Amino acid sequence: GENVEQHPSTLSVQEGDSAVIKCTYSDSASNYFPWYKQELGKRPQLIIDIRSNVGEKKDQRIAVTLNKTAKHFSLHITETQPEDSAVYFCAASPRNNYGQNFVFGPGTRLSVLP
Amino acid sequence: DAGVIQSPRHEVTEMGQEVTLRCKPISGHNSLFWYRQTMMRGLELLIYFNNNVPIDDSGMPEDRFSAKMPNASFSTLKIQPSEPRDSAVYFCASSPLAGVDGELFFGEGSRLTVL
Repeated sequence: GENVEQHPSTLSVQEGDSAVIKCTYSDSASNYFPWYKQELGKRPQLIIDIRSNVGEKKDQRIAVTLNKTAKHFSLHITETQPEDSAVYFCAASPRNNYGQNFVFGPGTRLSVLP
Repeated sequence: DAGVIQSPRHEVTEMGQEVTLRCKPISGHNSLFWYRQTMMRGLELLIYFNNNVPIDDSGMPEDRFSAKMPNASFSTLKIQPSEPRDSAVYFCASSPLAGVDGELFFGEGSRLTVL
């Protein structure tokens, strides 16, 4: 089955700096790669996603890149703000004849220091 | 729409007791997922359903865990008997498009503590 690795496990940056989180996946059948943000005590919520036919996607301060050949994808946050502090999860979504599954990485705890 | 609704939000029980967690997916969504979240293991997929049919239950820890989806608007996750190592936050999530890439919507979670 699909296996997703994520690095780093913790990341501290100064406010205004950029943050990069990297993930790798194992199943070449995966073709959808969402990123979720989970604030303390809250549910994970989708912040950006990318599909396998696209190499890069950007939404304001957040961007995601995908390299299908190398089976890795990354989240980039620019001009970080204290409210970006949270745990971020990447996921890979393999499809089979029955539908779509979501396998999550272990998460990255991002701290943005004022 | 009210989103994915889970109950109870918090449950404290004693080892050996039966625990039932409930989930109502977003209306019209036809994929439903149960995840367990702990500090040590992150978000683990327990089981998922498409159109009320269990597709993959390989993540269910052992026979003490069972899940059902009797109709499109309701699912349960049962633990019998419960053990302290089952303590975790259990998330239910639903997705609108079976067979097509779609966003996963999470419920608020059920925090289970087994003493």
